[in-house]
Amino acid sequence: QKEVEQDPGPLSVPEGAIVSLNCTYSNSAFQYFMWYRQYSRKGPELLMYTYSSGNKEDGRFTAQVDKSSKYISLFIRDSQPSDSATYLCAMGEYGNKLVFGAGTILRVKS
Amino acid sequence: KAGVTQTPRYLIKTRGQQVTLSCSPISGHRSVSWYQQTPGQGLQFLFEYFSETQRNKGNFPGRFSGRQFSNSRSEMNVSTLELGDSALYLCASNLGETQYFGPGTRLLVL
Repeated sequence: QKEVEQDPGPLSVPEGAIVSLNCTYSNSAFQYFMWYRQYSRKGPELLMYTYSSGNKEDGRFTAQVDKSSKYISLFIRDSQPSDSATYLCAMGEYGNKLVFGAGTILRVKS
Repeated sequence: KAGVTQTPRYLIKTRGQQVTLSCSPISGHRSVSWYQQTPGQGLQFLFEYFSETQRNKGNFPGRFSGRQFSNSRSEMNVSTLELGDSALYLCASNLGETQYFGPGTRLLVL
């Protein structure tokens, strides 16, 4: 079993929809959680990071962490075609060693 | 502020050769992490350097090595290349536990 599980999709939604992306993890020692967006043939771009359970909002993005359930989510409101990309969850115990999910391919259709 | 720079961007090598990849982090960042990204395994941590010292290491064979210079620039080396080493090699510039990725070096081993 992988430490971090993420459905690879693809997830296809119409423009303007609310998108929900999720990851589950097995290592209860993970302390911090991140979401990255990766466009084709580019490096990952940091979207959100959080250290605690609860919600964190930044513009159209909301990151949610539930440590008791070992479950994290990223919500995207008013999705746009430019949001079409691969979304990667990542988490770590300490230091700078991240464990990544497989990534979910998102397609937003206009 | 300039982002993370990786050189070269593309590289083609043959089995048995060795390769050196370079990463210049964001100015002021003293920690650099390296990751390998493949379609089958996703993003996997290779190692992290902080102030010229390797601080964390992933589960890769000894053929993969790295170093960091006093100006925080980092290099990674892969010796005796195998076909399975074909991947996107990503460098991350770290500030605390937040990691900012470069565009990557795409290595193809023939």
